[in-house]
Amino acid sequence: EADIYQTPRYLVIGTGKKITLECSQTMGHDKMYWYQQDPGMELHLIHYSYGVNSTEKGDLSSESTVSRIRTEHFPLTLESARPSHTSQYLCASKDRGVAGELFFGEGSRLTVL
Amino acid sequence: SQQGEEDPQALSIQEGENATMNCSYKTSINNLQWYRQNSGRGLVHLILIRSNEREKHSGRLRVTLDTSKKSSSLLITASRAADTASYFCATDRGSTLGRLYFGRGTQLTVWP
Repeated sequence: EADIYQTPRYLVIGTGKKITLECSQTMGHDKMYWYQQDPGMELHLIHYSYGVNSTEKGDLSSESTVSRIRTEHFPLTLESARPSHTSQYLCASKDRGVAGELFFGEGSRLTVL
Repeated sequence: SQQGEEDPQALSIQEGENATMNCSYKTSINNLQWYRQNSGRGLVHLILIRSNEREKHSGRLRVTLDTSKKSSSLLITASRAADTASYFCATDRGSTLGRLYFGRGTQLTVWP
């Protein structure tokens, strides 16, 4: 079982609120990722990090921001949530090396009313 | 943009039957991976096949890779109700940066 944790699992909030989705892993992985997934759809990479103080935007444009101050922690923040942000957000991590599996958290399902 | 394209989108079978899912991709790859996702949960890695491999087995799973056709298949033998889940293929698009690109998945339902 993967040692990567996401909180909250479910969040229902009103438009305009600021939210932070937490992601922590205890495996010492350098690489971490945030994917966005709508029901029945593929995963879209929205942010990734190759290590502390390294963050990059992914392929899908997102109004969210991320930070990587500690190896184990990769939070995602939405300054002002909108209904279009309603989705499932999946955090993943990977060890060094070219090949290798991603370890995923259980996801955070966000609903913005 | 979507990299892997799984086929079929949905598959419904009885327990004990075999389930075959296919994945096609567009670019060169270093490896291809298959993941499973139970409803409302995160993804779990099943198997990785490198571009120089043609077939790989893990328990009841058998994965094939045909780089000339840019396609892969996942076979689950003797399916169980607990195999009900979505199955995704993911490729690296030849990148060495560790990023993976996923398809839309195949929703497998196994009836008892």
